[in-house]
Amino acid sequence: QVQLVQSGAEVKKPGASVQVSCKASGYTFTNNYIHWVRQAPGQGLEWMGSINPSGGSTNYAQKFQGRVTLTRDTSTTTVYMELNSLRSEDTAIYYCARRRWGGGAYDSWGQGTLVTVSS
Amino acid sequence: DIVMTQSPDSLAVSLGARATINCKSSQSLFYNSNNKNFLAWYQQKPGQPPKLLIYWASIRESGVPDRFSGSGSGTDFTLTIDSLQAEDVAVYYCHQYYSTPQTFGQGTKLEIK
Repeated sequence: QVQLVQSGAEVKKPGASVQVSCKASGYTFTNNYIHWVRQAPGQGLEWMGSINPSGGSTNYAQKFQGRVTLTRDTSTTTVYMELNSLRSEDTAIYYCARRRWGGGAYDSWGQGTLVTVSS
Repeated sequence: DIVMTQSPDSLAVSLGARATINCKSSQSLFYNSNNKNFLAWYQQKPGQPPKLLIYWASIRESGVPDRFSGSGSGTDFTLTIDSLQAEDVAVYYCHQYYSTPQTFGQGTKLEIK
């Protein structure tokens, strides 16, 4: 079955960087875009960007341009999200999600990774 | 950016009754070339990631009970839950994937009355 398994919780200081991994299994990795969505404590969902695992092309939300980088490793079927220059407002659960074949909605989600930014 | 506005923010419905959640987008989500509305609905329970319920505005995801249905077109959409069950208590989000940045509604918290 389709699974997206994310790396564990992180605690970072302001100004630091964090990398979260998302390992995909149960399907052909290069067939489906992977998107990243975050959720601040008690808040709603915020789209960060996406990557096409086939060619590696990316698309980022303007809000995160210059601070976020999505990469993939096809040999390990893993997608990575790196966020730089962390600030307290980046404290959130970060989710990877698989876009449905044929486009559009997210049919499978990782379990989420809590990133806490605190001095 | 397309702004997604859900109503109400919270809703209390009796077991077995119908729940209706609305979602309005600031721009049309209908794409003429494929005749589809680029709108999805998700359910999120505490401590869990969101779960896809409906895509293309009205197509139920595999495994989702048929008491969940989606309707609407253009800028106005509705998620309907018939015969509410206790396990339906959750926060529900609409999501537009018509253009980037993709955006979500603020969420509607559904409780049992």
